[in-house]
Amino acid sequence: DQQVKQNSPSLSVQEGRISILNCDYTNSMFDYFLWYKKYPAEGPTFLISISSIKDKNEDGRFTVFLNKSAKHLSLHIVPSQPGDSAVYFCAASRTGGFKTIFGAGTRLFVKA
Amino acid sequence: NAGVTQTPKFRILKIGQSMTLQCTQDMNHNYMYWYRQDPGMGLKLIYYSVGAGITDKGEVPNGYNVSRSTTEDFPLRLELAAPSQTSVYFCASSYSSQAGNVEKLFFGSGTQLSVL
Repeated sequence: DQQVKQNSPSLSVQEGRISILNCDYTNSMFDYFLWYKKYPAEGPTFLISISSIKDKNEDGRFTVFLNKSAKHLSLHIVPSQPGDSAVYFCAASRTGGFKTIFGAGTRLFVKA
Repeated sequence: NAGVTQTPKFRILKIGQSMTLQCTQDMNHNYMYWYRQDPGMGLKLIYYSVGAGITDKGEVPNGYNVSRSTTEDFPLRLELAAPSQTSVYFCASSYSSQAGNVEKLFFGSGTQLSVL
């Protein structure tokens, strides 16, 4: 049972436009959500996170939105740059838990 | 700043062979993890440890063993390699926040393992 789902395997966006990556979760106990970015032949690196007490967190070009009632979060990248081309993983954990559960990832292509 | 170091980077095993994937971190993190990444499947948790001497199973533990004798090291052991264990393996470490959340994970660069 996939507790964290990223239903879009890939996304292609023009440079300068907005990229929107989506993520759904099924476990209502999750209360902390993260996005990681992964380039080929490297390990994932942390990008941005959000606690369930917030509905938005922003860091430069990256904004994460959380809709708890829909169990949905999204990552917005504005403006998109060719260097943003990577695989993006959505992840979730819960207070008092020790595990972080990952989605399958979305490969983002930003075309120059 | 070494962070999380994994060795080897690549390995080819024959069916039935055994090997140990090494992982060490220098950030004094109490939590450590092993994940595997299969194409289109994301990262699946194999085992994790919340401190020296304490380990527990993740989502896909079968065929693997771990130990945590020190804070720094968290090796992953494959006893009888099978083709289904062909994957990219990532070690990660983290710390817990005062609120009790597992904070962001720091990953190693991965080990590409092929079992033929």
